[in-house]
Formats: sequence, structure tokens, C-alpha cells
Amino acid sequence: EPEVTQTPSHQVTQMGQEVILRCVPISNHLYFYWYRQILGQKVEFLVSFYNNEISEKSEIFDDQFSVERPDGSNFTLKIRSTKLEDSAMYFCASSERQGNNSPLHFGNGTRLTVT
Amino acid sequence: ILNVEQSPQSLHVQEGDSTNFTCSFPSSNFYALHWYRWETAKSPEALFVMTLNGDEKKKGRISATLNTKEGYSYLYIKGSQPEDSATYLCVGYYGGSQGNLIFGKGTKLSVKP
Repeated sequence: EPEVTQTPSHQVTQMGQEVILRCVPISNHLYFYWYRQILGQKVEFLVSFYNNEISEKSEIFDDQFSVERPDGSNFTLKIRSTKLEDSAMYFCASSERQGNNSPLHFGNGTRLTVT
Repeated sequence: ILNVEQSPQSLHVQEGDSTNFTCSFPSSNFYALHWYRWETAKSPEALFVMTLNGDEKKKGRISATLNTKEGYSYLYIKGSQPEDSATYLCVGYYGGSQGNLIFGKGTKLSVKP
């Protein structure tokens, strides 16, 4: 069964450094998302992406964050200057259609540790 | 602020027990409810997507019901098995784009053999 893949599984970086988290969504899916979960807290929405542009973003997704689909397969999340509070598990997800009837397919996540 | 609540937070049952847990969500602007099963060190896996009041869905020993008027959903597991041990996430989808998915904190189920 096709799956969403994320790399790396664990990234350690120093505060102020840039990181890029990578995701390969399921090939026939059209909608892509990034979520994060800070340890012990709920999963939080960051951004959704469709037709090569951001369709929705949360308050967390400020100017330090950006997403890109540089080719036909990858979907990346960049954090320009990481802060300690960016430490979290970052999940990429994709769905076939938008909206209520289309479940999300998640990757295994990237654990980001900012020191 | 939209908030999806799940209870209990954790649950320990014996193999063979049947169990259920609850998801409460705001009814206004509600579009759909998703249930996901999340095993440790894996990614969340979709169980059900429900949209209509009175919806009931079943997948093997797991079933779910939806009441959109009062804003709750129940997930039932019949004859729990150790492999059912996981966190069960309830996610509400609200009007607008897919970005309005609101996650519950999950119910962590442990099934002892």
C-alpha cells in the first residue's frame, strides 16, 4: 500500500540554524499538510498546500516557516531560524481530495530537537 | 477556539474485554469526524470518516457512532486484543479548508494479555 515517507526521522539542530524537513506524499494525492506535536501536547495544524500554493495556515506558521513542492514528488517544510520551542514531532500528511470525506495519510514523522 | 475533547485519557483493559471511549466536539460549522489509530513509533492510520448524524461505521471489531446534534462520537472495540493497544485520535473537521482539522488529545488504550 502506498505510504507517505518523511526524512530524516530525527534531526538535531542548534538554535538559529535553518532546517528542512522532507516528505514524499502519496503520488496521486493532491492535498498536502504539515502538523506538529510538541511532547505531551495535542497535534497542531501548521499548513495545507494545494495546487502549488498554501491554502491555509495556522498562527504557528509565521514568517520563519515556509513550504515548497520543488518537484513532482517532494514536499518540504523549512524553518529559517530555529527556536527552542520548535522542538517537536513534525508530521507530513496527504489526502486524495479536500475536505470532510477524505482521510489523511500520515508519514512517520520527523523528531526535531533544537538545542 | 474550537476544542475536541477525548475521554478517558488512558484506559487499561484485559484481553477479551469490550471497551468504548468518547469524543466530544463543537457542533457548529461541523463537517466531519475522523478517527485515527496511532501505534507507538508509527504514523496515525485512518479508521473512520463520518459526516452524517446517526452515522455508524464498522471495521472488524471496531465500530464508531456519530451524533452531530449533541456533538459526540463513540468508538467501540469488541473483544479487545493486545494488538489493539494504541492511541485513538479523534479529529473534527470544520468549515473552510482542510486546515480546520482540530485534533483531540487521544485515548491511549493498553490491552493486557
